[in-house]
Amino acid sequence: QQQVKQSPQSLIVQKGGISIINCAYENTAFDYFPWYQQFPGKGPALLIAIRPDVSEKKEGRFTISFNKSAKQFSLHIMDSQPGDSATYFCAASNAGGTSYGKLTFGQGTILTVHP
Amino acid sequence: DAGVIQSPRHEVTEMGQEVTLRCKPISGHDYLFWYRQTMMRGLELLIYFNNNVPIDDSGMPEDRFSAKMPNASFSTLKIQPSEPRDSAVYFCASSLAGLAETQYFGPGTRLLVL
Repeated sequence: QQQVKQSPQSLIVQKGGISIINCAYENTAFDYFPWYQQFPGKGPALLIAIRPDVSEKKEGRFTISFNKSAKQFSLHIMDSQPGDSATYFCAASNAGGTSYGKLTFGQGTILTVHP
Repeated sequence: DAGVIQSPRHEVTEMGQEVTLRCKPISGHDYLFWYRQTMMRGLELLIYFNNNVPIDDSGMPEDRFSAKMPNASFSTLKIQPSEPRDSAVYFCASSLAGLAETQYFGPGTRLLVL
């Protein structure tokens, strides 16, 4: 029940295209859903996050869409650029529980944007 | 701020040897997390601390792994004895109380056990 399932494992997109990565969860107690971006040889870095009181959050070219009833959320990267090529992780946590601060990560998606 | 600092960045050791990984969190952060990343298992939380006290160590794979946080600015993850299956990238992350889910990761330690 603590799992977060992420798909696809890898994604190839042309420059200017839209990249879409999906995640699903089971634990209805999760109330914080961040996305992390990781470049080769670096640690993951927070990209954007959402709480379940809104269905969408946009920051520049990055948008999170959240569907509470389906227990799914997704990351959309508009106008994808070669510099966006990285591994993306979705995650979830339960801020109100005894595991405050504990993130459960998805398996990751390797995004390649071709010029 | 310098960010989360980890050392060493790379470690190559032989099976059976003791390995100690070090982490300096961002100054003022109350939470510290140790993760392990492999291709097969992805990013796994091993243990995390709040105000230097271990909160959840359920991710520590076995007794060969131990972690300490003697003060707010230093933590270690020790593997004794090491095995080839421990080969992975180990990340340390820190965060502030009140925003504990917003974690700042270090650059990682790439461990290879031969």
